Amino acid sequence: GAVVSQHPSRVICKSGTSVKIECRSLDFQATTMFWYRQFPKQSLMLMATSNEGSKATYEQGVEKDKFLINHASLTLSTLTVTSAHPEDSSFYICSARGQGAFTDTQYFGPGTRLTVL
Amino acid sequence: GENVEQHPSTLSVQEGDSAVIKCTYSDSASNYFPWYKQELGKGPQLIIDIRSNVGEKKDQRIAVTLNKTAKHFSLHITETQPEDSAVYFCAASGPGGGGNKLTFGTGTQLKVEL
Repeated sequence: GAVVSQHPSRVICKSGTSVKIECRSLDFQATTMFWYRQFPKQSLMLMATSNEGSKATYEQGVEKDKFLINHASLTLSTLTVTSAHPEDSSFYICSARGQGAFTDTQYFGPGTRLTVL
Repeated sequence: GENVEQHPSTLSVQEGDSAVIKCTYSDSASNYFPWYKQELGKGPQLIIDIRSNVGEKKDQRIAVTLNKTAKHFSLHITETQPEDSAVYFCAASGPGGGGNKLTFGTGTQLKVEL
């Protein structure tokens, strides 16, 4: 149980294009999902909290118009990197919060490697 | 906000030895402390967690201890195996201003040598 998937696993795009990453909770409903970014040999940096049916909450310094988040259902959240540039190249990871007595537990997806040329 | 420090940044042990990774946190309201294992190119995998109402938890070769007074918690891996080689992250969260968001440590690269 508690499986989170991401698609695509890897994407290479040209500078100026937009890229959409999907995060799905496969066997549980997640009212809250989180999006993280991780640079090589560094820790995970929280970008935003995605709540089903409402606007995402962004961390300080993260541009909401640059990183569009949609949480349209209890099992799907999407992150769109708009007008991507080489500095946006990173490993993007989502997580979904557990349910019931374990709403503090986060289960992570396998990550998406974004390379912007 | 919460601040989590993690040590050491790298750790090499011989197969069969024990490995210990330590973390400290700053927010006394934090009440949930998970540990994640991340292999190269993959997402973090939850390996064990502990809540503030207990002081120790064990799952086979892995154990976590929590000292609320000192605000530190540790991961213990016994009988290490080569497949334990990975980056390990500690994290903390609580119901305070952080809203149950996880704050991560900086990670420990564990290498288990044959």
